[in-house]
Amino acid sequence: SQQGEEDPQALSIQEGENATMNCSYKTSINNLQWYRQNSGRGLVHLILIRSNEREKHSGRLRVTLDTSKKSSSLLITASRAADTASYFCAPRYGGSQGNLIFGKGTKLSVKP
Amino acid sequence: DARVTQTPRHKVTEMGQEVTMRCQPILGHNTVFWYRQTMMQGLELLAYFRNRAPLDDSGMPKDRFSAEMPDATLATLKIQPSEPRDSAVYFCASGLRDSYNEQFFGPGTRLTVL
Repeated sequence: SQQGEEDPQALSIQEGENATMNCSYKTSINNLQWYRQNSGRGLVHLILIRSNEREKHSGRLRVTLDTSKKSSSLLITASRAADTASYFCAPRYGGSQGNLIFGKGTKLSVKP
Repeated sequence: DARVTQTPRHKVTEMGQEVTMRCQPILGHNTVFWYRQTMMQGLELLAYFRNRAPLDDSGMPKDRFSAEMPDATLATLKIQPSEPRDSAVYFCASGLRDSYNEQFFGPGTRLTVL
């Protein structure tokens, strides 16, 4: 399968703690994207990291990419209850027509 | 505030009925995607279009599903006849081919087939 696989499937933390989610993929990519989905809503694009980048920041989000291990991680620092959501990674493979294949996601619960 | 819109937001129907879901992509976006999300299967890509032409609909059950883009501002997904196993949330997303394929999702249509 070409989808990214997120790990863990579920994560429960206290407000203020950091949350780390991992993603593994199969073959070489052009970029890898992370999305968030709040309950009952559509997915929202969070951050995109290109294959020639190793780390990227956006606010409290930090994404790393290790192409040698075909893996990425998403770190949310100083988590808030509002960060409770499912998080999906979506690798964009070279030669693809632009479609993204989403995994099952990591369900993050941040307790106040 | 540009966003993808979908109608209806909720649909309850009986088995065998035709269901039509509509999507208005963000103005100027040339790529439109249809996804289905269930607890068991997660988010599945059903079909996608570029410049209104279907690029891939291999994820879609051909015997009952059809997807079209009558014009650049409207994408439709039809199920005929509907079955209980079609119950899911159907998402439309749009994007630009050149922007590394970031996708903008609509709020979804929650379909229940009784």
